[in-house]
Amino acid sequence: EADIYQTPRYLVIGTGKKITLECSQTMGHDKMYWYQQDPGMELHLIHYSYGVNSTEKGDLSSESTVSRIRTEHFPLTLESARPSHTSQYLCASTRGGSGNTIYFGEGSWLTVV
Amino acid sequence: GQQVMQIPQYQHVQEGEDFTTYCNSSTTLSNIQWYKQRPGGHPVFLIQLVKSGEVKKQKRLTFQFGEAKKNSSLHITATQTTDVGTYFCAGKKHSGYALNFGKGTSLLVTP
Repeated sequence: EADIYQTPRYLVIGTGKKITLECSQTMGHDKMYWYQQDPGMELHLIHYSYGVNSTEKGDLSSESTVSRIRTEHFPLTLESARPSHTSQYLCASTRGGSGNTIYFGEGSWLTVV
Repeated sequence: GQQVMQIPQYQHVQEGEDFTTYCNSSTTLSNIQWYKQRPGGHPVFLIQLVKSGEVKKQKRLTFQFGEAKKNSSLHITATQTTDVGTYFCAGKKHSGYALNFGKGTSLLVTP
């Protein structure tokens, strides 16, 4: 069982609000990722990190930002939420090296009204 | 960038029928992984293939990695309702920084 946790699991917020999605893993993994996935659709990589103080944007452009101050923590922030941000956000981590399994959190379902 | 194409997008079968999903990359991969996502859930790792021509089995599931390491397949024999979900392949280039996921194949199994 993977030790990667996301909060909140479900959130409904108003347009213009600031929101931070939390992600923590207790496996000591160096690499962490954020994916965005609409229901029934593909996974889009929006941010990744190779370690502390390392963050990069993924393949899909996103208005969100991330930080990696501690190895175990990789929060994602939306400064001003819009309805187009409504989606599921999946955090993931892997130990590193070639071909290591990616462990996903249970996801955060965000609805912006 | 690297493209990982997966077909079909959807598949609806009767329980007991076989099912296959295919994954193709435009570039040679160092390895390929398969994940399953149940409806409303998160992707869960199934298996990793590394060697050219590799074949691995997990009960009714058979995974293959092509000789050129550009394609892969997942075959389920005699599907059951518990097989319902979306199956994703994810490939990694030798110099790649992250796995590149296919769009997934959603499998529906009716009794």
